[in-house]
Amino acid sequence: GQQLNQSPQSMFIQEGEDVSMNCTSSSIFNTWLWYKQDPGEGPVLLIALYKAGELTSNGRLTAQFGITRKDSFLNISASIPSDVGIYFCAGVSGGYQKVTFGTGTKLQVIP
Amino acid sequence: ETGVTQTPRHLVMGMTNKKSLKCEQHLGHNAMYWYKQSAKKPLELMFVYNFKEQTENNSVPSRFSPECPNSSHLFLHLHTLQPEDSALYLCASSHSGGAPGELFFGEGSRLTVL
Repeated sequence: GQQLNQSPQSMFIQEGEDVSMNCTSSSIFNTWLWYKQDPGEGPVLLIALYKAGELTSNGRLTAQFGITRKDSFLNISASIPSDVGIYFCAGVSGGYQKVTFGTGTKLQVIP
Repeated sequence: ETGVTQTPRHLVMGMTNKKSLKCEQHLGHNAMYWYKQSAKKPLELMFVYNFKEQTENNSVPSRFSPECPNSSHLFLHLHTLQPEDSALYLCASSHSGGAPGELFFGEGSRLTVL
């Protein structure tokens, strides 16, 4: 089946630092999404990307849809303590409701 | 009210018990989903319902039985589960035909099977 590999698996950063995480796949996706899951909560959509090469920002978050349609990255600038959580990439191909999720990147921010 | 509500938040059951998980959405969506989240594994899609009809069953064992009486409610009936079924079960909803992949999740039901 389709797999999305995220890196790094986890990271500790100092408050104020920028963060970058990646998602790669051996399969092509037509849509890439980034979700965040806070402890004890369900995932929440952060950014959606619909076109290869697209670069989209949402506040301190920036994400790109790779030109090959097999990868995406998420950057967080000037991290703050509430950025703590697990970040999931997700891809959609074929059936628009079949969403494949990555393994997650766990982010911890040191105040 | 929160958009997608799941009950119970925590459930402990024996392998011979029968229990149900409930999900309710107040967003006016017409597609609902069950996902399973296990430690160190990606979220796994289990079932999809569109306008109360099941449109996706991702090879889920029959000990999990979904029910969708209307577009706002979704149940997952559990019986004779195994310890490896212990996980966080997440319900989600979306607009059927809406933007691909844009799901609204509940807080999840944490299931422990003894």
